[in-house]
Amino acid sequence: NAGVTQTPKFQVLKTGQSMTLQCAQDMNHNSMYWYRQDPGMGLRLIYYSASEGTTDKGEVPNGYNVSRLNKREFSLRLESAAPSQTSVYFCASSRLAGGEETQYFGPGTRLLVL
Amino acid sequence: KQEVTQIPAALSVPEGENLVLNCSFTDSAIYNLQWFRQDPGKGLTSLLLIQSSQREQTSGRLNASLDKSSGRSTLYIAASQPGDSATYLCAVNDMRFGAGTRLTVKP
Repeated sequence: NAGVTQTPKFQVLKTGQSMTLQCAQDMNHNSMYWYRQDPGMGLRLIYYSASEGTTDKGEVPNGYNVSRLNKREFSLRLESAAPSQTSVYFCASSRLAGGEETQYFGPGTRLLVL
Repeated sequence: KQEVTQIPAALSVPEGENLVLNCSFTDSAIYNLQWFRQDPGKGLTSLLLIQSSQREQTSGRLNASLDKSSGRSTLYIAASQPGDSATYLCAVNDMRFGAGTRLTVKP
């Protein structure tokens, strides 16, 4: 039982390049989330998926797209990376959204955009 | 818009002290509040989850309380140990996080 896994662990991009961050969970959770963490700012929600087949914008969605590929996998895509997207990205999952369930987090992807 | 604040940003205490971490939120219409621990370079680990109908939750040396009317939650750590050194974050409604309190417990 690996929990929540994220790939890659670290990535360097040049401005304008694109990439996809991968996330998978093996806990049969319905809800999945993408956050970014910047120094001194805590975590901010980018997108979430309350259940397979649905996605919704969070607090900071601009510059990102997501795909809930199936129940296990939730990917985050940067179409044209910008230096402002340099951050640590965390994926999380929970059995249900809306109150009664703990979120489980992956180890994070560190992204540097030059 | 829900705002979540954690003060202080950093705290240093000697081993063995009891301590309280604070979390404030602006909108009392919440359905849960969670406390997480984050070690340097790692992901977040959930410590305690309090539902909106609950006043507190306990796990070992940790006790979290929730007062929706005042928009506050506290995390009480008893008999602190160096292994408790980490950043502690609170999150409201799964999705709105505070910036965290960085705790250092000195031997």
